[in-house]
Amino acid sequence: GQQLNQSPQSMFIQEGEDVSMNCTSSSIFNTWLWYKQDPGEGPVLLIALYKAGELTSNGRLTAQFGITRKDSFLNISASIPSDVGIYFCAGRAGGTSYGKLTFGQGTILTVHP
Amino acid sequence: EAGVVQSPRYKIIEKKQPVAFWCNPISGHNTLYWYLQNLGQGPELLIRYENEEAVDDSQLPKDRFSAERLKGVDSTLKIQPAELGDSAVYLCASSRDRGAPADTQYFGPGTRLTVL
Repeated sequence: GQQLNQSPQSMFIQEGEDVSMNCTSSSIFNTWLWYKQDPGEGPVLLIALYKAGELTSNGRLTAQFGITRKDSFLNISASIPSDVGIYFCAGRAGGTSYGKLTFGQGTILTVHP
Repeated sequence: EAGVVQSPRYKIIEKKQPVAFWCNPISGHNTLYWYLQNLGQGPELLIRYENEEAVDDSQLPKDRFSAERLKGVDSTLKIQPAELGDSAVYLCASSRDRGAPADTQYFGPGTRLTVL
């Protein structure tokens, strides 16, 4: 099935560093979501974006909904060891596909203490 | 508030055997989703229910997969017969109202299926 283009695939950083990851699509989305998934668990919502150009923060996380509605990025500032996990972007279209989320392939984040 | 509950958490079966997964959504959530997550990939929607009605099952391989949500609450996903390629994590999610702009999907922990 269709998936979003998420990059990078993996990141290895030192504790305290900032992290940036992004997601692009060939289709327009009305909503962009960022999830984090820990091993053996389901994805947990971090940030939701509902308007083009919107910039939203959640603690050390900041995400933006691209103006073209075809991309989004997530930044994590001052990373800590518990930030380790897999980060997924997800887009939601409108109309009859409203409830359907299309996910990226994920970015695996490793934080070295 | 209890989260989405799934069982079993792990299942190992031989190919050609049947298998079933169960999901209990968050209380009051009308919409229920089943996703398939292959290793190294994001979840992909299999089927979505609005109450007891399957409103999007276009990605469900209907030759071997079936799902039901008889009373509009908990749901069962079945595979019969299972194939080696069905090894994956099966995630269930629920949301309160797909019509709301801020409608949020909450995921369960998933069932990890291994087909030998």
